[in-house]
Amino acid sequence: ELKVEQNPLFLSMQEGKNYTIYCNYSTTSDRLYWYRQDPGKSLESLFVLLSNGAVKQEGRLMASLDTKARLSTLHITAAVHDLSATYFCAAPLTGTASKLTFGTGTRLQVTL
Amino acid sequence: DSGVTQTPKHLITATGQRVTLRCSPRSGDLSVYWYQQSLDQGLQFLIQYYNGEERAKGNILERFSAQQFPDLHSELNLSSLELGDSALYFCASRSTTSPVAFFGQGTRLTVV
Repeated sequence: ELKVEQNPLFLSMQEGKNYTIYCNYSTTSDRLYWYRQDPGKSLESLFVLLSNGAVKQEGRLMASLDTKARLSTLHITAAVHDLSATYFCAAPLTGTASKLTFGTGTRLQVTL
Repeated sequence: DSGVTQTPKHLITATGQRVTLRCSPRSGDLSVYWYQQSLDQGLQFLIQYYNGEERAKGNILERFSAQQFPDLHSELNLSSLELGDSALYFCASRSTTSPVAFFGQGTRLTVV
């Protein structure tokens, strides 16, 4: 059974600071997804990482994947209030495409 | 707007009742996924359909069932509802040419 763990579960940070969210998964997976969810809203796709060593960046967010360590990171640079949301990582079992197992989520609160 | 439409947005019903949640995938997407999001269980994969056929099953209760129709819309049927079934139910769709699943706005089910 694939298990996906995120830490921290809750992150309060000041605007302008940098921080990293970690996502570990338990068994082989060939890709890793990051989603953002605002309270009571849908999940918005941020990144899909398709291979070992993949790095993707969008604005102040950068995601990376190390399939050997079964670890993905989501790095936040110079946080702004608009980034406040819950961030989920998710992984499929190899060969099952988008049947995703989600992490518990990291609730990010960026304070002014 | 992800292009995935779910109805209704909110549903309040009594224990023991049966409800049907509807999902219209993005135009051309053959795969439809259902997920349940609750405070205690997090985001859990329920079931996947591909072009009308069941493709994968997750933690879906026997009281729940789903189907995908020839026009590719999908319905999730929940019966003999219990208080613990209260949750946000998401539908997602994916095309065969993209690894990314796009989520609908969800249906918030409250069982009283």
